Amino acid sequence: GIQVEQSPPDLILQEGANSTLRCNFSDSVNNLQWFHQNPWGQLINLFYIPSGTKQNGRLSATTVATERYSLLYISSSQTTDSGVYFCAVLSGGYQKVTFGIGTKLQVIP
Amino acid sequence: GAVVSQHPSWVICKSGTSVKIECRSLDFQATTMFWYRQFPKQSLMLMATSNEGSKATYEQGVEKDKFLINHASLTLSTLTVTSAHPEDSSFYICSARQGLAGRQNEQFFGPGTRLTVL
Repeated sequence: GIQVEQSPPDLILQEGANSTLRCNFSDSVNNLQWFHQNPWGQLINLFYIPSGTKQNGRLSATTVATERYSLLYISSSQTTDSGVYFCAVLSGGYQKVTFGIGTKLQVIP
Repeated sequence: GAVVSQHPSWVICKSGTSVKIECRSLDFQATTMFWYRQFPKQSLMLMATSNEGSKATYEQGVEKDKFLINHASLTLSTLTVTSAHPEDSSFYICSARQGLAGRQNEQFFGPGTRLTVL
């Protein structure tokens, strides 16, 4: 099946810093989503981005489907950005969803 | 919009009992819902895909007789963990596909249910 790799696995940022999270996938995909899982386990939709670039406040994402990667940018990070960021792809004839292992982000004051 | 709820949010049960978890799409109809399992500090693993009015499709390695899934309406899917054992303790998360034009595959997740089997 498709492989989804996220990097870095862990990231510690000073409040106010910027960061880039990466998601690589091994095959063509029909869909890609970025999620933030907060400390209570809730998954929050950030972007639905099978291709192109989108921005939402301090966050933006770019997916280059032909090169099989997606990037999530976090600017001016805040402590509330802490948590785990997952990318998930939908692929194959059976439309199966595969999650990456996540990037654990800690923003310190 | 696109809110998904789960009930209960946490449950503790004795080994051998059955536990039912409900997943509801509150403000949209979902023909397809998904059930995931997440172990501590790990990613989400898809257990099964639930389609309204038909049998669920289970992923390889998931016991369909142990994890019973019912999708009786366009807004409700249930996961029943039968004869639960301590190794079934986990965080169970459901999601629903809203199916909007241009965003047909976008999934929205419930808050999860933490199951502890003693």
